[in-house]
Amino acid sequence: DIQMTQSPSSLSASVGDRITITCRASHSISRFLNWYQQKPGKAPKLLIYATSTLQSGVPSRFSGSGSGTDFTLTISSLQPGDFATYYCQQSYSTPWTFGQGTKVEIK
Amino acid sequence: QVQLQESGPGLVKPSQTLSLTCTVSGGSISSGGYYWSWIRQHPGKGLEWIGYMYYSGSTHYSPSLKSRVTISVDTSKNQFSLKLSSVTAADTAVYYCARGDYSSGSYDYWGQGTLVTVSS
Repeated sequence: DIQMTQSPSSLSASVGDRITITCRASHSISRFLNWYQQKPGKAPKLLIYATSTLQSGVPSRFSGSGSGTDFTLTISSLQPGDFATYYCQQSYSTPWTFGQGTKVEIK
Repeated sequence: QVQLQESGPGLVKPSQTLSLTCTVSGGSISSGGYYWSWIRQHPGKGLEWIGYMYYSGSTHYSPSLKSRVTISVDTSKNQFSLKLSSVTAADTAVYYCARGDYSSGSYDYWGQGTLVTVSS
C-alpha cells in the first residue's frame, strides 16, 4: 500500500494568512493526488484533483502543486469558512489511501 | 445534480453482517466513467478507503478488509451496496458512499454519511 503522510497534523492561523499543507507519498504517485476539505459532521468536499486542478466552484485562493512523492495544498488568504480538516488522497494505485488529515484552527 | 444517499441499519450486532445501500440520483450508475465507492471514518479519525465497483462489475477492495467485503451494484434501482461480514466494534464508523472519477480517481460526490455502531 502507498502511505500518505501529511504535515503538519494541525496548525493555528488567522484570517488572511497564507498556509501550506504538505502531503508525502511513500512511493511515486505521478500526479494522482487529490485534496479534500471536511467540516465537522459533514462529508468531505473535493477541492483539487490531479494535483493542481481546481474542482468546479472552489475558490481560487486554493491551489495545489507537486509531483512524484511531494505535494502541497496552499490557501493564499484564509477565510472564516476555511477552518476545517484537510485530507490528501492518492489515486495512483489501489488501495487508494488518504493522509491522516491536517486540522486548520483559528489562532 | 448528482446526489448519493446511504441507507441501512445504524446498529449491528458483533459477528453479524453490516449491509448498506447507496441510492444515486441525478445520474445513471450504468453510464460508465465512475468508480462507485465506499469509504469509512472511525469516530474522530481519518478516512479509510473500503473499495469500489466499476459499472462493468470489476471490483477493488482494501486488502485489510478484502476477506469480509462485498460491493455490488443494482443498475435497475440505480443503487450500489456494501456488505461487511463478521463485524466487530472496530467496524463502528461513519460510512460514506461516493462517486469516484475514472480518470482522476477523485471523489466528486459523496453521500452525507451514516453512522453504524457495532454493539450487542
